[in-house]
Amino acid sequence: QVQLQESGPGLVKPSETLSLTCSVSGGSISSDNWSWIRQPPGKGLEWIGYLYYTGNTNFNPSLKSRVTISVATSKNQFSLQLTSVTAADTAVYYCTRDIVPTIWGQGTLVTVSS
Amino acid sequence: QSALTQPASVSGSPGQSITISCTGTSSDIGAYNYVSWYQHHPGKAPKLMIRSVSIRPSGVSDRFSGSKSSNTASLTISGLQAEDEADYYCSSYTSNSTVLFGGGTKLTVL
Repeated sequence: QVQLQESGPGLVKPSETLSLTCSVSGGSISSDNWSWIRQPPGKGLEWIGYLYYTGNTNFNPSLKSRVTISVATSKNQFSLQLTSVTAADTAVYYCTRDIVPTIWGQGTLVTVSS
Repeated sequence: QSALTQPASVSGSPGQSITISCTGTSSDIGAYNYVSWYQHHPGKAPKLMIRSVSIRPSGVSDRFSGSKSSNTASLTISGLQAEDEADYYCSSYTSNSTVLFGGGTKLTVL
């Protein structure tokens, strides 16, 4: 049974870079596709982007200029970086398996504030 | 890209059936059978209830069913139970190789 766990700072200052890591257990990161989703407080789910098993990526057009998703195969982890954050980036961030998500991590709250 | 359209809220009494709609376009729901439905209890991880329009993952109750007609997908919950009270989200793959979510529907079990 594949399980996902997000980790990273819970507080990021405005204009800085948000960095999160997703650790995958129970399966190989090399054989599947992986995504990041977020949910701002009181709002719905928003797709951020996905990492295809070939290494290709695709992102939400509204975030594309600020987002990077990368993989650390030896650690069975994949990561999210979001640059130049503002208060609007405050959200619970989820890592998930598959392009249209199937398995979800528990989520981690990231607050953007000085 | 615009979010898929869901009703903000639906309600039903225990034992009844309810249906939640999810409307998109010919570039997303109408183009592919990659529509999923998620149940989300606040503070917990969303749970996949339906994938590929109508396939129930192992362990999901058969009270949950999905369908699609043209650009609209639907989730039906039969025999409503108190534990079904949650937020429900649809999602779809799109012709731009992106993923769209619906705005979410709050289900209240009366």
